[in-house]
Amino acid sequence: EAGVAQSPRYKIIEKRQSVAFWCNPISGHATLYWYQQILGQGPKLLIQFQNNGVVDDSQLPKDRFSAERLKGVDSTLKIQPAKLEDSAVYLCASSLDLRGGMKFVYEQYFGPGTRLTVT
Amino acid sequence: LAKTTQPISMDSYEGQEVNITCSHNNIATNDYITWYQQFPSQGPRFIIQGYKTKVTNEVASLFIPADRKSSTLSLPRVSLSDTAVYYCLVGGNTGGFKTIFGAGTRLFVKA
Repeated sequence: EAGVAQSPRYKIIEKRQSVAFWCNPISGHATLYWYQQILGQGPKLLIQFQNNGVVDDSQLPKDRFSAERLKGVDSTLKIQPAKLEDSAVYLCASSLDLRGGMKFVYEQYFGPGTRLTVT
Repeated sequence: LAKTTQPISMDSYEGQEVNITCSHNNIATNDYITWYQQFPSQGPRFIIQGYKTKVTNEVASLFIPADRKSSTLSLPRVSLSDTAVYYCLVGGNTGGFKTIFGAGTRLFVKA
């Protein structure tokens, strides 16, 4: 089974520039998550999609961050304009539809992440 | 969502059993307890999940006392490759599905 795919793996941009990350979840997984992980900290949930609808975006800085999940499959996360404090690893994860069962409600499968450096 | 508290770091030696305890005093009736492992430059990986008593898989065991206010992840006979950060999460799918990772426990396994 193919895992969660992310691209690019690394990105270096200057502050005030824009950047976009792409995620392809595991086939059949209805739920998709984007996390931001700053060095030395645990992942912080930015946005969660159920199919192509947003379930939770309470921690997404909406003045500069945006995300979409077209057709309920792939997703893109965009930052415009970037700030120095956006330097982090951006992780994408996916999981089966929660309504599919209770046993592993929290089994999320993570991609390798995109390391963003803003200079 | 119940807050979790874990030790910041732990040291161990190869071949030893490692127990990492997580406290979650405000766990709700419908909450499950889940542990993830993260290696440097990789995304977290699901280890184990449980609701009560004991759960065991090929990687670890999870012990949950009757009051469910804490849980212990047990890693038998650790090796150098078990050096990683371990996260304890508590939550369920009632009242919204939220995922909150804490700072985790950094486990260092020495030769």
